[in-house]
Amino acid sequence: QKEVEQDPGPLSVPEGAIVSLNCTYSNSAFQYFMWYRQYSRKGPELLMYTYSSGNKEDGRFTAQVDKSSKYISLFIRDSQPSDSATYLCAMSAENNAGNMLTFGGGTRLMVKP
Amino acid sequence: DTAVSQTPKYLVTQMGNDKSIKCEQNLGHDTMYWYKQDSKKFLKIMFSYNNKELIINETVPNRFSPKSPDKAHLNLHINSLELGDSAVYFCASSQFRRYPRLNTQYFGPGTRLTVL
Repeated sequence: QKEVEQDPGPLSVPEGAIVSLNCTYSNSAFQYFMWYRQYSRKGPELLMYTYSSGNKEDGRFTAQVDKSSKYISLFIRDSQPSDSATYLCAMSAENNAGNMLTFGGGTRLMVKP
Repeated sequence: DTAVSQTPKYLVTQMGNDKSIKCEQNLGHDTMYWYKQDSKKFLKIMFSYNNKELIINETVPNRFSPKSPDKAHLNLHINSLELGDSAVYFCASSQFRRYPRLNTQYFGPGTRLTVL
């Protein structure tokens, strides 16, 4: 079993829909949680990050962390075709040698016009 | 200006060859990384390196070695290439922060390696 699990999708939604992307993890030491977006044949780019539990909002994006359930979510409101990409969650622990991130396998999202 | 750049973008080579991938960052960061992304999009850390220490993921074969001529460059050298090495390799960089120890990494565009 991988440390971070993510449904690979693809997830297909109509334009304007609310999208929910999720990750579960097993390592209770993880304190930092990030969401990266990766367009086809490009490098991942950081979308959002949160520290410990709680919510964080940035425009159409909301990140949620539930440490008690070891579950994190990314919500996208009013989804656009330009949101079509693979979304990767990433995590790290407080005392993490080398500042290494542990990634989920990514969820491919397709937003259809 | 490209923040993290990699060369080459594509690399096709034969089994058994030795090859290098170059990475440069102009962000002034002190830590650089190499990741391998397989065909299922799973992104796995290989190395973390700053001017003080190299951290190696224990699952990485010793045929892979990072080489850093200076703080802005971290090259990846691969000896005796195998079919299973075919993947996309990403370089990334970040600036170490003591608190909060948030690790915002910036990724390069990737190098698609195909071993025949």
